[in-house]
Amino acid sequence: GAVVSQHPSWVICKSGTSVKIECRSLDFQATTMFWYRQFPKQSLMLMATSNEGSKATYEQGVEKDKFLINHASLTLSTLTVTSAHPEDSSFYICSASPRDREDEAFFGQGTRLTVV
Amino acid sequence: EDQVTQSPEALRLQEGESSSLNCSYTVSGLRGLFWYRQDPGKGPEFLFTLYSAGEEKEKERLKATLTKKESFLHITAPKPEDSATYLCAPMRSNDYKLSFGAGTTVTVRA
Repeated sequence: GAVVSQHPSWVICKSGTSVKIECRSLDFQATTMFWYRQFPKQSLMLMATSNEGSKATYEQGVEKDKFLINHASLTLSTLTVTSAHPEDSSFYICSASPRDREDEAFFGQGTRLTVV
Repeated sequence: EDQVTQSPEALRLQEGESSSLNCSYTVSGLRGLFWYRQDPGKGPEFLFTLYSAGEEKEKERLKATLTKKESFLHITAPKPEDSATYLCAPMRSNDYKLSFGAGTTVTVRA
């Protein structure tokens, strides 16, 4: 199957700082990537759709100025949590779909963000 | 609005005790129904995609089926390594977005 890699796997940062999370498709090109967050014992909630070469589209209630998404190439999307606060602590997961198989979705291993 | 309901929330099985998980969904324009397995602290691992009512897919001890309103994941003779949270997610045909259910956490005791 297709491989999606996220980095870092976990990160601890201080309140007020920014954190960047990378999502890479290792063996395929992805026109579209999705970013999710997951709170303990809850399911995945879609945050935004990342499209290569264009602006991301955000789900209702997600602050686009706080969660900056850049999809600079067909294999890399980044999520930057700006001015992080403890309530941003969560598990962030990305998914990517191959260019020629957009009805398939493969997930990264997730990034555990803890804001102290 | 899309709705996905999984039941039961939790399932405790003895090794070898077969059971089924349910996923009820309402989505405008279904492209496919996905099943994933998620282990604690990990991202979802792809299991199956079902595209049309009546379709069935199998992988080892797992079999997924699909109707117009529900999908079932059957676990036959489970082993402890089948312990995980199983997530279903219909994908919309117009934007390829997945809507996830809350999941069923399966625990298989040896």
